[in-house]
Amino acid sequence: KAGVTQTPRYLIKTRGQQVTLSCSPISGHRSVSWYQQTPGQGLQFLFEYFSETQRNKGNFPGRFSGRQFSNSRSEMNVSTLELGDSALYLCASSLESPGSGYTFGSGTRLTVV
Amino acid sequence: QKEVEQDPGPLSVPEGAIVSLNCTYSNSAFQYFMWYRQYSRKGPELLMYTYSSGNKEDGRFTAQVDKSSKYISLFIRDSQPSDSATYLCAMSGPSGGSYIPTFGRGTSLIVHP
Repeated sequence: KAGVTQTPRYLIKTRGQQVTLSCSPISGHRSVSWYQQTPGQGLQFLFEYFSETQRNKGNFPGRFSGRQFSNSRSEMNVSTLELGDSALYLCASSLESPGSGYTFGSGTRLTVV
Repeated sequence: QKEVEQDPGPLSVPEGAIVSLNCTYSNSAFQYFMWYRQYSRKGPELLMYTYSSGNKEDGRFTAQVDKSSKYISLFIRDSQPSDSATYLCAMSGPSGGSYIPTFGRGTSLIVHP
């Protein structure tokens, strides 16, 4: 059974640019969540999508957005990149609700210069 | 005060030692309690989850939840160098029709031969 796939694995972007990250969840998983991981703040919740609808949202500015497609694949977008957006972005999927745990992808390492 | 507190370590132990990892939390609405392991350059991997209070054992790993003290623990018996990783606790309660985990910052564990 294929795991959660995130692409690309690494990205380098310039301040002010925008970026789109992609996530393919485990087949059959309908809930997809995104987290930002930094050494200073740890794992911070961005948003959760379920059946193409945003079901929960974390405390991030509107520059961070996402969407989910009918096949459960998800993308997140960050516009007007700032240096502080440099982080590991993790996608996680679960069957219906992540209450009893997620399966995470390996993440996309974003560096903003 | 963060919702979930976890000592970042590092915790260094000799091979074969019993390891105790702990988290405290403040939100009494949390119902699911999880432990993840994260190796360098990888996403977190779910080790165990517990619903409500009590103990759960899986091989060399035992998870304990004490809701009255808002304290959870993970014990690793007969620790191995391959257990060297960052261990993250996570917990969730009902939120917008889902259960979004809140993570601790993680404890870095080093098991030396």
